[in-house]
Amino acid sequence: QKEVEQDPGPLSVPEGAIVSLNCTYSNSAFQYFMWYRQYSRKGPELLMYTYSSGNKEDGRFTAQVDKSSKYISLFIRDSQPSDSATYLCAMSSTSGSARQLTFGSGTQLTVLP
Amino acid sequence: NAGVTQTPKFRVLKTGQSMTLLCAQDMNHEYMYWYRQDPGMGLRLIHYSVGEGTTAKGEVPDGYNVSRLKKQNFLLGLESAAPSQTSVYFCASSYSGGAETQYFGPGTRLLVL
Repeated sequence: QKEVEQDPGPLSVPEGAIVSLNCTYSNSAFQYFMWYRQYSRKGPELLMYTYSSGNKEDGRFTAQVDKSSKYISLFIRDSQPSDSATYLCAMSSTSGSARQLTFGSGTQLTVLP
Repeated sequence: NAGVTQTPKFRVLKTGQSMTLLCAQDMNHEYMYWYRQDPGMGLRLIHYSVGEGTTAKGEVPDGYNVSRLKKQNFLLGLESAAPSQTSVYFCASSYSGGAETQYFGPGTRLLVL
């Protein structure tokens, strides 16, 4: 069983829809949670970062963490065609000299105009 | 300010050949990382460095070597390429060990025949 599970999709939604992307994890040591966005043939870029349970909002994006259920989500409101990308969740613990990231496999999202 | 750059962008190798992938960053970051990305597997850490002259193994280090002779450069070497090393390789860097602030390069696509 992978430490981080993410539905690969693909997910296709109409413009303006609310998108929900999810990851589950099994390692209780994970304390830091991130969402990266990766456009086709590009490197991932950090979208959201949080380290506590609850919600964190940034514009149209909301990251939600439920540590008791080992479940994280990313919500995109008023989705745009420019949001079409692969979304990767990533997690890390506090141990080690560098916080090694464990990534989900990514969910491919297409927002149709 | 170019951020993180990778050379080459694409390469085809025959089994048994060797090559070196170059990563350069101009952000004066201490930490640098090499990942590979395969379909359905997400990003997996190969090796990382916490400073000039240091390297450490990640999740999938076998078949790869790395060197960090200069702070701004991180080299990934394949001594004897195998078809299983066909992948997209990403370099990343961060100012500190806080993995939430990793900046990724554009990737190198490697095909081993």
